[in-house]
Amino acid sequence: EIVLTQSPGTLSLSPGERATLSCRASQSVASNYLAWHMQKPGQAPRLLVYAASTRATGIPDRFSGSGSGTDFTLTISRLEPEDFAVYYCQQYGASPPFSFGPGTRVDIK
Amino acid sequence: QVHLQESGPGLVKPSETLSLTCSVSGGSMNNYYWAWIRQPPGKELEWIAYMYYTGSPSKYNPSFKSRVTMSVDSSKNQFSLRVSSVTAADTAVYYCARVGIGCMDVWGQGTTVTVSS
Repeated sequence: EIVLTQSPGTLSLSPGERATLSCRASQSVASNYLAWHMQKPGQAPRLLVYAASTRATGIPDRFSGSGSGTDFTLTISRLEPEDFAVYYCQQYGASPPFSFGPGTRVDIK
Repeated sequence: QVHLQESGPGLVKPSETLSLTCSVSGGSMNNYYWAWIRQPPGKELEWIAYMYYTGSPSKYNPSFKSRVTMSVDSSKNQFSLRVSSVTAADTAVYYCARVGIGCMDVWGQGTTVTVSS
């Protein structure tokens, strides 16, 4: 079973700053089937990135995903006010079919 | 644009069965898998089950020990979840989602279910 760990737990930054979020898997993620989702309070999660580095439809290019194997990163180049949220990584390449990380909260500093 | 909306009772008594429905609008269910995910208060997202629009194949999270049944009715653009013998540990926000490109690419808003007498 693949377990995902995210760090840091909370990231306090100011608008305009760069955010770097980490997701580490306990085993290699097959075919880099790693996604990132954003969730704002009271809202549905929203897919940002899939296959480790492909932006979903309509996602601004300030969001970028990278990594392979067991180490993945989501980078937000310049934080906009609407980017302050919780970010979850998800693997979908192995057993169990899906697993999620515990999330990283990006707070306004 | 595809929109998903969960519906069901917000309060369920212990030992009873929780039943939820997800209504799909703005697109067809055809050729996609559909899934249920939940998030207990203060805890991580946890997938429950997923199923192809035809009803097969499907897969369930073993941690639910056969308490879960999922069904799809693509003619009604709906899919459903039943969780039997609920306890307080089943209190959570329940989300339905479409599985496209391998992962959840469209999510419902979520519905809060509380298990309490």
